[in-house]
Amino acid sequence: QVQLVQSGSELKKPGASVKVSCKASGYTFTSSEMNWVRQAPGQGLEWMGWINTNTGSPTYAQGFTGRYVFSLDTSVSTAYLQISSLKAEDTAVYYCARRYSYSWGLRSWGQGTLVTVSS
Amino acid sequence: SYELTQPPSVSVSPGQTARITCSGDALPKQYAYWYQQKPGQAPVVVIYKDSERPSGIPERFSGSSSGTKVTLTISGVQAEDEADYYCQSADSSATYVVFGGGTKLTVL
Repeated sequence: QVQLVQSGSELKKPGASVKVSCKASGYTFTSSEMNWVRQAPGQGLEWMGWINTNTGSPTYAQGFTGRYVFSLDTSVSTAYLQISSLKAEDTAVYYCARRYSYSWGLRSWGQGTLVTVSS
Repeated sequence: SYELTQPPSVSVSPGQTARITCSGDALPKQYAYWYQQKPGQAPVVVIYKDSERPSGIPERFSGSSSGTKVTLTISGVQAEDEADYYCQSADSSATYVVFGGGTKLTVL
């Protein structure tokens, strides 16, 4: 069955960087675009952008440019989200999510990775 | 920027019908999707492309669309349906994804 398994929780100090991984299995990794979604504590879902799993070309949503990098390692069917210069307001659960073909819906989600930024 | 508007909360008694609406100007052009999120869990899609139900989702979940509004209907609500529900779509130019603010469904 399709699975997206994300890396574990992270505790980081302000100014540090974090890299979250999302390992896909049960389908052809390059057949679906991978999206990233943020959920701050007690808040709603916020779309961060997506990465073309064939070309590696990323698209970042407004508000997620500069400190955010989406990347891939197709040899191990894994997508990555890296956030640099972390701030307290980056504290959130980050989800990877596989998109439906030819549409914008998110058909499968990872379990989420909690990133806590605190001194 | 484009927004989807949902009511913050909906309350129903067990066995009743819950209707959660989502409004947005681009909904006539773009499909809507609905996600259920229970505390501490990842979202799960319950309706895709306005009214399609994924395999494994109970038949009591249905979706409909009319103009700039889409509706998630849960017939015969059960206690286990208590969760946050989010609608999601794209802007009219299919450039970016947008989520509604979420609706907390309370089963009384």
